[in-house]
Amino acid sequence: ETGVTQSPTHLIKTRGQQVTLRCSSQSGHNTVSWYQQALGQGPQFIFQYYREEENGRGNFPPRFSGLQFPNYSSELNVNALELDDSALYLCASSPTSNPNTGELFFGEGSRLTVL
Amino acid sequence: AQRVTQPEKLLSVFKGAPVELKCNYSYSGSPELFWYVQYSRQRLQLLLRHISRESIKGFTADLNKGETSFHLKKPFAQEEDSAMYYCALRDQAGTALIFGKGTTLSVSS
Repeated sequence: ETGVTQSPTHLIKTRGQQVTLRCSSQSGHNTVSWYQQALGQGPQFIFQYYREEENGRGNFPPRFSGLQFPNYSSELNVNALELDDSALYLCASSPTSNPNTGELFFGEGSRLTVL
Repeated sequence: AQRVTQPEKLLSVFKGAPVELKCNYSYSGSPELFWYVQYSRQRLQLLLRHISRESIKGFTADLNKGETSFHLKKPFAQEEDSAMYYCALRDQAGTALIFGKGTTLSVSS
């Protein structure tokens, strides 16, 4: 069984640029969530996708957007990058059979640095 | 407001000593609480959830609604327990987990 995979693992951008982060869900999972983890903080919910529709959103501005594809892979897009966007971005998927058990299967994250 | 507080950034204990990682929450209604753990060079994973009332790797956590706490306990710490521990609360909408800032547990011999 393949776990959640994310790419790229590290990237550096400059302020004002745009970034796309990618995630492949664990096999059999159709719900994917994205979290932002700043240094020294716990993960903070950005949004969740279920069957290609946004299913919930945290307190993030519209320049954070996402997509989920028919194969349940997902993208996180961030426009007009700011220095405070520097963080580890975590993708997590949930089992199709019961997406709301609270058990999230996390990827290893994409570490974004904005200069 | 929905919030999770983990007051300790670091907890250092000796092998064989009892461990208690503190977690307090703020929530209206019946909360759903979880402990997630991240071992060195591994990804974040679920350790236990209060609704299951289970013991995993010797750890237990009891929900105390009066004190709004969900402390994680283990009677005898092992070196392999060294990790970052996050307490998490399911939000009212049911789609997100609200995480605390985490506590690093360091167990030395």
